[in-house]
Amino acid sequence: SELTQDPAVSVALGQTVRITCQGDSLRSYYATWYQQKPGQAPILVLYAKNDRPSGIPDRFSGSSSGNTASLTITGAQAEDEADYYCNSRDSTGNRVVFGGGTKLTVL
Amino acid sequence: EVQLVQSGAEVKRPGESLRISCKGSGYTFTAYWITWVRQMPGKGLEWIGRIDPSDSYTYYRPSFEGHATISVDKSISTAYLQWNSLKASDTAMYYCATPIVGVRYAFDIWGQGTMVTVSS
Repeated sequence: SELTQDPAVSVALGQTVRITCQGDSLRSYYATWYQQKPGQAPILVLYAKNDRPSGIPDRFSGSSSGNTASLTITGAQAEDEADYYCNSRDSTGNRVVFGGGTKLTVL
Repeated sequence: EVQLVQSGAEVKRPGESLRISCKGSGYTFTAYWITWVRQMPGKGLEWIGRIDPSDSYTYYRPSFEGHATISVDKSISTAYLQWNSLKASDTAMYYCATPIVGVRYAFDIWGQGTMVTVSS
């Protein structure tokens, strides 16, 4: 995978957690973030610089620096426990790549 | 309501052919690329490729090129993913998705998924 994510992250209920995504293509393209719960299709939670589709809570936010993009959940809730994937264009700009995913556990 | 509806689960034997479908509704089907994504059991998301429904132009992940084919019938707002000779390693959930939100790799509309099982 051209985008690298930590396999697992945990956060205490109500605390803040940052999930990161690294890759050279992120120097040129924004990361997009998805949430996937078991047995369900992924859901888009963040795209472009820091845009949220309608219905996504504002506790989800994004940032980027150099080759690293971050998804921050401020005040994590139990329902935020899920797998999170980043994606972007690849280094050629012609294809799409996904990160390997981060399993978020809310303690 | 904007949605993508996929065909049902399939069980096939190695070497068999298969075509699964993804029907769009509630939006202008030819205005947005359709992307296919694979998720093998217990694994992450993998981009397979995409098609522009307006002109059928396709782009594939190199490892899928030549093994799977993406096509479209815009007259019925339906995209397809097909294999001529399935392998056991094709066992996976397959999703179609489209970026109505306007960023070409930000997929805000997803199909419900089609589970493909290839087993002898």
